[in-house]
Amino acid sequence: RKEVEQDPGPFNVPEGATVAFNCTYSNSASQSFFWYRQDCRKEPKLLMSVYSSGNEDGRFTAQLNRASQYISLLIRDSKLSDSATYLCATDSGGYQKVTFGTGTKLQVIP
Amino acid sequence: DADVTQTPRNRITKTGKRIMLECSQTKGHDRMYWYRQDPGLGLRLIYYSFDVKDINKGEISDGYSVSRQAQAKFSLSLESAIPNQTALYFCATSDSAGGSNEQFFGPGTRLTVL
Repeated sequence: RKEVEQDPGPFNVPEGATVAFNCTYSNSASQSFFWYRQDCRKEPKLLMSVYSSGNEDGRFTAQLNRASQYISLLIRDSKLSDSATYLCATDSGGYQKVTFGTGTKLQVIP
Repeated sequence: DADVTQTPRNRITKTGKRIMLECSQTKGHDRMYWYRQDPGLGLRLIYYSFDVKDINKGEISDGYSVSRQAQAKFSLSLESAIPNQTALYFCATSDSAGGSNEQFFGPGTRLTVL
């Protein structure tokens, strides 16, 4: 089983839609969790860290489910500018090296 | 100015050539990483360094070597490049004092091995 798994998509959604991505991780000792956004041919940039209590930043909400070992990202009121690949990431326990999922591609359609 | 820089940004080389990719950071972070990204395979860790005297292999270190010349500099070498090393290479940093492992990436180096 891969350490971090994501549905590669693509998710094609109309503007204004709500879309959710899930990401599963295999290491129960993982301590830190992240969602990154990557535009085509660019470097990944942190979108949100994911906390046990869940966190929200504007239209974006991230949640962690330790029991089922997954993290989620919810995007409300999708914009054209949200089109990108979203990578989840988690550490290998004890804030050590980070493993990334392969990414989920989102295309927001006018 | 960018906090994490990579040189060169693009490189085309031939099989068997030695190539060095360089990474510098002004963030003052102690940890540095090299990843490669291939379509459908995501980001894979090649090597990482938690301080100047600490170098560790990642999941795909074969065919690569690294040097941590200073806290701010971490270079990746391909001793004898082969075509399947054609990829997008990213350097990243993180701060162990920050309490998490948020990674800050450089702009990437697109390497083509013919």
